[in-house]
Amino acid sequence: NAGVTQTPKFQVLKTGQSMTLQCAQDMNHNSMYWYRQDPGMGLRLIYYSASEGTTDKGEVPNGYNVSRLNKREFSLRLESAAPSQTSVYFCASSESGSRRLFFGSGTQLSVL
Amino acid sequence: DQQVKQNSPSLSVQEGRISILNCDYTNSMFDYFLWYKKYPAEGPTFLISISSIKDKNEDGRFTVFLNKSAKHLSLHIVPSQPGDSAVYFCAVFGSGNQFYFGTGTSLTVIP
Repeated sequence: NAGVTQTPKFQVLKTGQSMTLQCAQDMNHNSMYWYRQDPGMGLRLIYYSASEGTTDKGEVPNGYNVSRLNKREFSLRLESAAPSQTSVYFCASSESGSRRLFFGSGTQLSVL
Repeated sequence: DQQVKQNSPSLSVQEGRISILNCDYTNSMFDYFLWYKKYPAEGPTFLISISSIKDKNEDGRFTVFLNKSAKHLSLHIVPSQPGDSAVYFCAVFGSGNQFYFGTGTSLTVIP
């Protein structure tokens, strides 16, 4: 029972490079989320998708784009990485109407 | 503005004693509150929750208390065990299907 799977687990980028963080869930959840965790800042919402075909900005969307490819997959793209995007990124999912999030194990991203 | 605040970045407790983690929120319209636990190199996992229609919810060694007038909730762990050492995040479920998280409290239970 995989739950929420994120790839890669670790990534180092140079400033200006682009990359896509992948997330897939096998729980048939409608809603998916991307968070970043920074020291002293907690978990902050970047983007979320309430259902397939919809995406909305969260608290800190600047510098990111997302794609809800299908019900299972929700990707996060950094078009031109900046050192301020060094963080741990978590994908999460929840069932519609449920007030419980299920998280992946995270992606540690360093931008040099 | 931080919707959810955890003012204690860290807490150390002796094994067997009570751990009390605190959380304050700003919006009186929030009606559902959660605690998540996070170990290093893992994602947060759900621990316990409470609806605003209650003031207490228990699950084994874990109890969450809600004081709506003070916009404050707390997590009690009794008795604390070394395996409880982790970062604990308070969260609220807000409008637009969004969850707002606090900054976390790192709990260390000393054997």
